[in-house]
This record gives sequence, C-alpha cells and structure tokens, in this order.
Amino acid sequence: AQTVTQSQPEMSVQEAETVTLSCTYDTSESDYYLFWYKQPPSRQMILVIRQEAYKQQNATENRFSVNFQKAAKSFSLKISDSQLGDAAMYFCAYQAGYALNFGKGTSLLVTP
Amino acid sequence: GAGVSQSPSNKVTEKGKDVELRCDPISGHTALYWYRQSLGQGLEFLIYFQGNSAPDKSGLPSDRFSAERTGGSVSTLTIQRTQQEDSAVYLCASRLSGANVLTFGAGSRLTVL
Repeated sequence: AQTVTQSQPEMSVQEAETVTLSCTYDTSESDYYLFWYKQPPSRQMILVIRQEAYKQQNATENRFSVNFQKAAKSFSLKISDSQLGDAAMYFCAYQAGYALNFGKGTSLLVTP
Repeated sequence: GAGVSQSPSNKVTEKGKDVELRCDPISGHTALYWYRQSLGQGLEFLIYFQGNSAPDKSGLPSDRFSAERTGGSVSTLTIQRTQQEDSAVYLCASRLSGANVLTFGAGSRLTVL
C-alpha cells in the first residue's frame, strides 16, 4: 500500500508569516493525485489544494501553494501571510485510482 | 443535499452494544467512502462503495464492522458488540464518478464506555 509521511506532528507560525508543511509519499505509480486537506476543530475536512502528478507546474490557490518534487516524492504545502483561521490539522493525501491514503497530519498553531 | 450529512454527530454507548452510523452523500455522487480517525491519528480507510456494491472492504478491522448502501445513496456503518478501542470519529466522504475530489461529512464521534 502507498504510504504518506508527515514528519512534523506540530508546527507554529506567527500571524502574517509564512510556514511550510512537509509531506513525502511512497509509490510505484506514475499517474496519481496529491492533496492537502485542512481539518479545523469542527472536524469538517476541507480541500486546500490538489496536484496532478503529470503536471510539472506547482499548484497555487491564493495564499496556499505547493512544492511538488516528483522524483523525490515530496509534496510540501506553503502557507503565506498566515491568518488565525489557518489554525487546524493539515493532512497530506495520495490518490491512485479510487484509493485515497492520508498521512497522520500536522497540527498548525497560528499565534497573534 | 448540498453537502455530505452524517448522523449522529456524537454517540456515547456502553461496551457490548451495537451502533449504527449513517451517511447521506451528495445527490448524484456514486462513490462513497468510510474512514476512521482515532485520537491523534490520521484517517484510516474502512470501506469504499461504487453504487450499491463494495469492491473494497479491506479496511474493515474485524467482522464486528459491516456497512451497506442502498439505492446508491444512504450508507450505514454498523459496529456490533462495541469495544473501547472502537472509540473514534467516523468520517464519510463521497465523490462523483470520474472525479478525484472527495467531499467529507463532519463525522460521527463514537465514544464507547
């Protein structure tokens, strides 16, 4: 089974600063998707950003961007201009076919 | 509906009792997933439905767990003879056939005393 590793259980960032969350994955597939999901205390999983493996260009959604390194099997999330509302658990996920596998998450604390 | 609806939101039960958790996916979403999230852990895959059939039940942790989906819509996850280690948040997600983005419900938090 494909594994997803998030090596940072917790991260902290000051408001308005930039933070990068790390994710690595293991796969032998060439065609797959990568995602970052956010889970606030409400438990609702919210899609932050996605990346198709066949695309070399890194995905960007407003203040959120990724650094996708396919050869290194790395998929980090950069949050710019951090806001208090960004505080949440962030999960990296890998999908090939129907199966979606998640990492164990990174808890992001945003301080004023 | 507009989103994935799960009920109950919270359930407290005694060890040995049976529980049923319900998921109402977005209308038209043919694929449906159940995940389990234990405290401090990531999401553990339980089962995947395509329509009413479950081609992948590999994540169900024991034969006390079962799930069904009727009419290609509502799904029920049943846990028989609950144990304390079953305490977790159970998340349901759905997606359109051919799409790759899942929409999640808010989950059902199960506490087994």
